[in-house]
Amino acid sequence: NAGVTQTPKFQVLKTGQSMTLQCAQDMNHEYMSWYRQDPGMGLRLIHYSVGAGITDQGEVPNGYNVSRSTTEDFPLRLLSAAPSQTSVYFCASSQGRFTGELFFGEGSRLTVL
Amino acid sequence: SQQGEEDPQALSIQEGENATMNCSYKTSINNLQWYRQNSGRGLVHLILIRSNEREKHSGRLRVTLDTSKKSSSLLITASRAADTASYFCATVRYNNNDMRFGAGTRLTVKP
Repeated sequence: NAGVTQTPKFQVLKTGQSMTLQCAQDMNHEYMSWYRQDPGMGLRLIHYSVGAGITDQGEVPNGYNVSRSTTEDFPLRLLSAAPSQTSVYFCASSQGRFTGELFFGEGSRLTVL
Repeated sequence: SQQGEEDPQALSIQEGENATMNCSYKTSINNLQWYRQNSGRGLVHLILIRSNEREKHSGRLRVTLDTSKKSSSLLITASRAADTASYFCATVRYNNNDMRFGAGTRLTVKP
């Protein structure tokens, strides 16, 4: 099994550009989420989904959109990139809401100039 | 705001020694988990302890949970150089759908 796959691994954007970070999982997990990791800040939750068609905001949702049209995919969209969005982004999935054990992708490193 | 806070922020020990990391949190939880992150990689789940449990073991790992103090500790016994990584606690808040992480403890094990 591939687990959680994120693309791209690296991306450089100019301020104001838009892009989509892709996330796919092949474990039939209900729960998927996006985190950003900044030095000294740990991981902060951006958006999450408890199933296809259902999404909700986390701690730092501003500037990001998500959708969940299928169980497998959970893309994260940056509508108008800002330097403050320079970060490493992680997608994660788990079997259910309170089951725990998140499975993480390898991360996407985004730089906004 | 982040739910968990790890202590210390950084820890350096010799191979063979034990490493203890602590985590404090703010609200009632459903469970608490510990994750490990090697440099430049994604996080890997280590162990989960539920709110009605006080202690769990997994190999060289021992986790304790004190819900009255809202704190947890992760003990790695007989550490190895390969244990060098960052360790994060994460909490699933009671009656909530998300998991929140602390800022992590950077562990260095010297050979």
